[in-house]
Amino acid sequence: EPEVTQTPSHQVTQMGQEVILRCVPISNHLYFYWYRQILGQKVEFLVSFYNNEISEKSEIFDDQFSVERPDGSNFTLKIRSTKLEDSAMYFCASSDYGQGPHEQYFGPGTRLTVT
Amino acid sequence: GEDVEQSLFLSVREGDSSVINCTYTDSSSTYLYWYKQEPGAGLQLLTYIFSNMDMKQDQRLTVLLNKKDKHLSLRIADTQTGDSAIYFCAEIGGATNKLIFGTGTLLAVQP
Repeated sequence: EPEVTQTPSHQVTQMGQEVILRCVPISNHLYFYWYRQILGQKVEFLVSFYNNEISEKSEIFDDQFSVERPDGSNFTLKIRSTKLEDSAMYFCASSDYGQGPHEQYFGPGTRLTVT
Repeated sequence: GEDVEQSLFLSVREGDSSVINCTYTDSSSTYLYWYKQEPGAGLQLLTYIFSNMDMKQDQRLTVLLNKKDKHLSLRIADTQTGDSAIYFCAEIGGATNKLIFGTGTLLAVQP
């Protein structure tokens, strides 16, 4: 069964460093998403991406964040200068385009620890 | 803004039914979802319901929607120890694809 994959599973970085989180969405999906879950808090939407551009973003997704689909398979989230409060589990998801329930399928997540 | 709330913890005995409840505030919700998260794993889509339905059954899972009260529930029949996980309610409303998640309910199944 096709699935969303994410690498790395755990990333430790120092405050101020840049990180890139990687995702491979399900191959025939056209919508891509990033969510995050800070420990003990709700899963929060960050951004959605379709047709090579951002279709929606939350207030969390400020200038420090960017997304890219550098080739036909990968979807990346870059945090330019990490802060302690960026420590969280980051989930990538993908869905079919079109009307209907937009079933979003999630990857296993990348745990980002900023020290 | 939109908000989704769930109770934090539910404990049941193996073989019993579990009922996990969720309330939401967005009256323009179009689809409501249940996701399952096992320890160390991602979010697994279990089922969803369209807002003009009041019930959906899928094997051991039954989803009930009371749109007037903005109340959603997930019933798991014959609960097994493998059902132990965190269950998240989520909704999508209006002209958006972003999921709004609840706090998650930890289901503990006692043998």
